[in-house]
Amino acid sequence: NAGVTQTPKFQVLKTGQSMTLQCAQDMNHNSMYWYRQDPGMGLRLIYYSASEGTTDKGEVPNGYNVSRLNKREFSLRLESAAPSQTSVYFCASSEGTSGRQTQYFGPGTRLLVL
Amino acid sequence: QKEVEQNSGPLSVPEGAIASLNCTYSDRVSQSFFWYRQYSGKSPELIMSIYSNGDKEDGRFTAQLNKASQYVSLLIRDSQPSDSATYLCAVSNAGNNRKLIWGLGTSLAVNP
Repeated sequence: NAGVTQTPKFQVLKTGQSMTLQCAQDMNHNSMYWYRQDPGMGLRLIYYSASEGTTDKGEVPNGYNVSRLNKREFSLRLESAAPSQTSVYFCASSEGTSGRQTQYFGPGTRLLVL
Repeated sequence: QKEVEQNSGPLSVPEGAIASLNCTYSDRVSQSFFWYRQYSGKSPELIMSIYSNGDKEDGRFTAQLNKASQYVSLLIRDSQPSDSATYLCAVSNAGNNRKLIWGLGTSLAVNP
């Protein structure tokens, strides 16, 4: 039982390059989330998927797209990376079927955009 | 704007002491409350969840919830150097139960 896994762990991009961050969970959770965490800014929600087949914007969706590929997988795409997207990205999942929304986090992806 | 506020710290306590971390929230109808611990360079991990007024104990950790005053606290008894981390408070978004509102965290340093 690996929980929430993310790939890659580290990535360096040049401005304008694109990349996809992958996330998978093996807890049969319905809801999945993408956050970014920057010093002094806390965790900010980029996108979330309440259930398979649905996605919704969070606080900071500009410059990102997501795909809920199936119940297990939720990917985050940067189409044209910018230095402002340098951050640590966390994927999380929750059961999503009750009012008790404990979220479980993956190990994170550190992204540097030059 | 629904908010969760925490003192950023750093909070410094000697080993063996009680560490007290506090969190206030603005949305009166929030139902679920969480404390996460985050070590430097790592992801947040759940310590405690609490849903009802009062105290909830788990080992050295006690979460306290007071919905009337809109605060939730975390007490760490017999603090250890391994407790040194940032503690994040999160509160369910009453308008969308699947989202959490996060505080910026309190940095705790336990000194040997």
